[in-house]
Amino acid sequence: ETGVTQTPRHLVMGMTNKKSLKCEQHLGHNAMYWYKQSAKKPLELMFVYNFKEQTENNSVPSRFSPECPNSSHLFLHLHTLQPEDSALYLCASRSLEGAWRLPTNEKLFFGSGTQLSVL
Amino acid sequence: GENVEQHPSTLSVQEGDSAVIKCTYSDSASNYFPWYKQELGKRPQLIIDIRSNVGEKKDQRIAVTLNKTAKHFSLHITETQPEDSAVYFCAAINFGNEKLTFGTGTRLTIIP
Repeated sequence: ETGVTQTPRHLVMGMTNKKSLKCEQHLGHNAMYWYKQSAKKPLELMFVYNFKEQTENNSVPSRFSPECPNSSHLFLHLHTLQPEDSALYLCASRSLEGAWRLPTNEKLFFGSGTQLSVL
Repeated sequence: GENVEQHPSTLSVQEGDSAVIKCTYSDSASNYFPWYKQELGKRPQLIIDIRSNVGEKKDQRIAVTLNKTAKHFSLHITETQPEDSAVYFCAAINFGNEKLTFGTGTRLTIIP
């Protein structure tokens, strides 16, 4: 275990459902990320949160809604998804420190991912 | 933004032989280059990394080389074993930038 936990591990949902993915890290990190992994685009960055603030939204459709209530938790709320949204969704975290928010530990730790299937 | 290209996309190597995966990057300000290994159904895991002030780094059978002038870096695996079979991703980052830009991955298959 790397200290980054994702739930659920597998999720099947219809296009009209609303579901949420959860990520929790126990590493004391303060930057968290959502990545989408599919056969077409491996490791595609979706969102970045630094110190609970969203600093990156990589042109992600609004049917994906992230939430970061604190530095340890990250959610991805899903609604009215499309079949092409089926993929592995990976959470990751890293440590940023200092007034200039430079990474003191550049290593990125991944969770095990949620395998999402949209029917 | 940064663009990272990775080659080859698939690689088959006889057990015991060496494997080399190459990546190029576009942003000359990038200064940290990690490599991740992802086994089937598992999370990507960091296997080795290198910072721009170093030209080569080695960890047992794995080594990474960096050519800053040419903006390319490579992963070298020697004496390959079946458990080396996985997808390998390279990445590049500029310190102060919040995101890693990943390559498209290389599926390495070790033939027993």
